[in-house]
Amino acid sequence: GAGVSQTPSNKVTEKGKYVELRCDPISGHTALYWYRQSLGQGPEFLIYFQGTGAADDSGLPNDRFFAVRPEGSVSTLKIQRTERGDSAVYLCASSTGTEAEQYFGPGTRLTVT
Amino acid sequence: AQSVTQPDIHITVSEGASLELRCNYSYGATPYLFWYVQSPGQGLQLLLKYFSGDTLVQGIKGFEAEFKRSQSSFNLRKPSVHWSDAAEYFCAVGASNFGNEKLTFGTGTRLTIIP
Repeated sequence: GAGVSQTPSNKVTEKGKYVELRCDPISGHTALYWYRQSLGQGPEFLIYFQGTGAADDSGLPNDRFFAVRPEGSVSTLKIQRTERGDSAVYLCASSTGTEAEQYFGPGTRLTVT
Repeated sequence: AQSVTQPDIHITVSEGASLELRCNYSYGATPYLFWYVQSPGQGLQLLLKYFSGDTLVQGIKGFEAEFKRSQSSFNLRKPSVHWSDAAEYFCAVGASNFGNEKLTFGTGTRLTIIP
């Protein structure tokens, strides 16, 4: 079966621009997570969805970051007025919602120039 | 708040030798512990997990880990490494077993295998 997919795999944008990163979870998984992995670091939690609602957005660094999951499946992470410090690999994961095991996608590498 | 420490940034091991990667966690209640592996350009793959019960857990690719509550540790081991084991390894802690909690990761240990 298909795993978690993320598009694009790479995104280069200029400082100040708006970007959207997409995540397609495993079919039937109700929980979806976004993490950010900076160079040389482990993934850091950003936001978690259970169904359509954001159950925990405590990891979003500031109000330039926003994520949606309108139909409880695909999710989009949106970053406004990008800054060079936003450069990182953005990882998406999904789980069944009843088990803690999270399945990760390959990530989107965002570079802000 | 939970936290994870992986004290070894980089480890080099000869092919066929044994391996132990260290992980220490901080969490006030019973932790849910994971080891993930990340190969270059790949997503994170779960090697094994501990929720409760037997403190020695077996995972994929011949890996095992032992939960030691008294030492707040969850070290990863493999008796004989293969060149394909070269990757970045992350230990993570979760707050529950119900699939609705974030994971907190360590900074990772990069494993290099030499012939």
